[in-house]
Amino acid sequence: NAGVTQTPKFQVLKTGQSMTLQCAQDMNHNSMYWYRQDPGMGLRLIYYSASEGTTDKGEVPNGYNVSRLNKREFSLRLESAAPSQTSVYFCASSEDEGLAGGDTQYFGPGTRLTVL
Amino acid sequence: QKEVEQDPGPLSVPEGAIVSLNCTYSNSAFQYFMWYRQYSRKGPELLMYTYSSGNKEDGRFTAQVDKSSKYISLFIRDSQPSDSATYLCAMSARNNDMRFGAGTRLTVKP
Repeated sequence: NAGVTQTPKFQVLKTGQSMTLQCAQDMNHNSMYWYRQDPGMGLRLIYYSASEGTTDKGEVPNGYNVSRLNKREFSLRLESAAPSQTSVYFCASSEDEGLAGGDTQYFGPGTRLTVL
Repeated sequence: QKEVEQDPGPLSVPEGAIVSLNCTYSNSAFQYFMWYRQYSRKGPELLMYTYSSGNKEDGRFTAQVDKSSKYISLFIRDSQPSDSATYLCAMSARNNDMRFGAGTRLTVKP
């Protein structure tokens, strides 16, 4: 099993450009998440999907959209990138709704995004 | 004030030392407490999970939660160079999203 995979690994964008970060998991998990990690800030939840067909906002959703394409895939879209969105983005998945704890979240390797 | 405070370090210890990592928090609704380990350029991985107050031990790792003081700790006994990583605390309330600490970078020197 590959676990959680993310593409691309690195990306450089200019301000105003758009892009989609892809995430896929092969563990048959119900829930998937997108986080961003910034120095001194820790991980912050952007959006999550408790099950196929549902999405909800997390702590920092502004400037992002998500799509739960099917049970395996959960994409994150930046419609008009801004320098403040320079960050490392992590996708995660869990068997059930792991937000309340007690359910392990498995993280992907991350996408390093720079917005100039 | 952040909901979860964690000293970013860096922390450097000799091999074999006992390491103590700590977080404080302000939200009394938090019930689930976790520690994640993150190696450089990798995603975090769950190390320890504790529900409510108390201690939990797993090999060389012990997690403690003191809800009355809003304080959690992770102890690493007989630390090894392979323990060198960033350690993130995380916590959540029931049916609520997780809040992470900023992470403490640990180096264990041989």
